[in-house]
Amino acid sequence: EVQLVESGGGLVQPGRSLRLSCTASGFTFGDYAMSWVRQAPGKGLEWVGFIRSKAYGGTTEYAASVKGRFTISRDDSKSIAYLQMNSLKTEDTAVYYCTRVLVYRYYFDYWGQGTLVTVSS
Amino acid sequence: QSALTQPASVSGSPGQSITISCTGTSSDVGSYNLVSWYQQHPGKAPKLMIYEVSKRPSGVSNRFSGSKSGNTASLTISGLQAEDEADYYCCSYAGSSSVVFGGGTKLTVL
Repeated sequence: EVQLVESGGGLVQPGRSLRLSCTASGFTFGDYAMSWVRQAPGKGLEWVGFIRSKAYGGTTEYAASVKGRFTISRDDSKSIAYLQMNSLKTEDTAVYYCTRVLVYRYYFDYWGQGTLVTVSS
Repeated sequence: QSALTQPASVSGSPGQSITISCTGTSSDVGSYNLVSWYQQHPGKAPKLMIYEVSKRPSGVSNRFSGSKSGNTASLTISGLQAEDEADYYCCSYAGSSSVVFGGGTKLTVL
């Protein structure tokens, strides 16, 4: 059974940093691209970015709203994907979901339960 | 990119069929057969219902179907059931390795 478990969320002040983790199980993690999608309170879904598998270069793509501030990385030996968030803004407050994404087909077939990040002073 | 346009809400009675539209542009929905749909119940994570416009993942009821015409994709739910009441989001590839979601549609089963 595919499982994705996010951790690392919490309350952080504007301008500070936070790192989220996504621990995967139930599939060969290294064979898949991984993505982060967020949802502000009471709002819709917003794609944050993704990281391809090593077979596709392990390269990353980001939404314009987070490019230059957020970084996605992966540790295939531990089956963990990370989202490093720097220079956080109040508008980054959201539930952050880790998802498995089919590279070049661009759909998210499995989702974690999400972790809440609150950016506030 | 701008979010895809979905109706804020739709409703239907049990047993009826409803359709949720998702309107994009020639740069996203209109150019790629890479539209997916997600169901989200309150307080839960989204669930993939349709991918690549009209394909259903294993385990998803055949009451759910997808289609596309021009810049508009659609999700149809037939034989509406109480458990279908949820928020639904469309998503499309938007070029340059990016994706865009719709604003979401709240489905109410009367």
